[in-house]
Amino acid sequence: ETGVTQSPTHLIKTRGQQVTLRCSSQSGHNTVSWYQQALGQGPQFIFQYYREEENGRGNFPPRFSGLQFPNYSSELNVNALELDDSALYLCASSSGLAGVWGELFFGEGSRLTVL
Amino acid sequence: TQLLEQSPQFLSIQEGENLTVYCNSSSVFSSLQWYRQEPGEGPVLLVTVVTGGEVKKLKRLTFQFGDARKDSSLHITAAQPGDTGLYLCAGTLHTNAGKSTFGDGTTLTVKP
Repeated sequence: ETGVTQSPTHLIKTRGQQVTLRCSSQSGHNTVSWYQQALGQGPQFIFQYYREEENGRGNFPPRFSGLQFPNYSSELNVNALELDDSALYLCASSSGLAGVWGELFFGEGSRLTVL
Repeated sequence: TQLLEQSPQFLSIQEGENLTVYCNSSSVFSSLQWYRQEPGEGPVLLVTVVTGGEVKKLKRLTFQFGDARKDSSLHITAAQPGDTGLYLCAGTLHTNAGKSTFGDGTTLTVKP
């Protein structure tokens, strides 16, 4: 069974640039959620994709956008990067909208630094 | 205002000691998860509790869900250095099953 994989693991960008983060879900899982984890804080929900449609969004501006592909992999795109976007971006997959009672299976994350 | 409050924020103990960490909310959750996260890695699911009053054991870890499904605790017996990490609780609200809300975690350090 293949777990959740994310790429790249680390990247550095400058303010105003755009970034795309990628995620392959765990085999058998059709739902992908993205979370932002700032240093010293818990993960914050960005949005979730189910069957290639956005299904729920947290308190993030429209410059955070995403896609889900037919193979259930997903991308997170962030435009016009700001310093506060520096964080660990976590992708989590689950089976169905809420998994088994909301259980999430995380990748190792993409560490984004904005200078 | 954080929906889930975890306490303590930091905990440093000696190997062999027992400890309890807490996860509290004013909201009722349909389920609650505990995760453990090590530096540079994603959270790893430890347990899910669903029923009010439920107690689950995972080796030296005991998880309890409050009767009203608003709070939870994690008790570790005879802590080991390998237990070191960030312990996160996350809840799923009945009205928003697609979204898990996380607390800010308890950072546990177990010294040999």
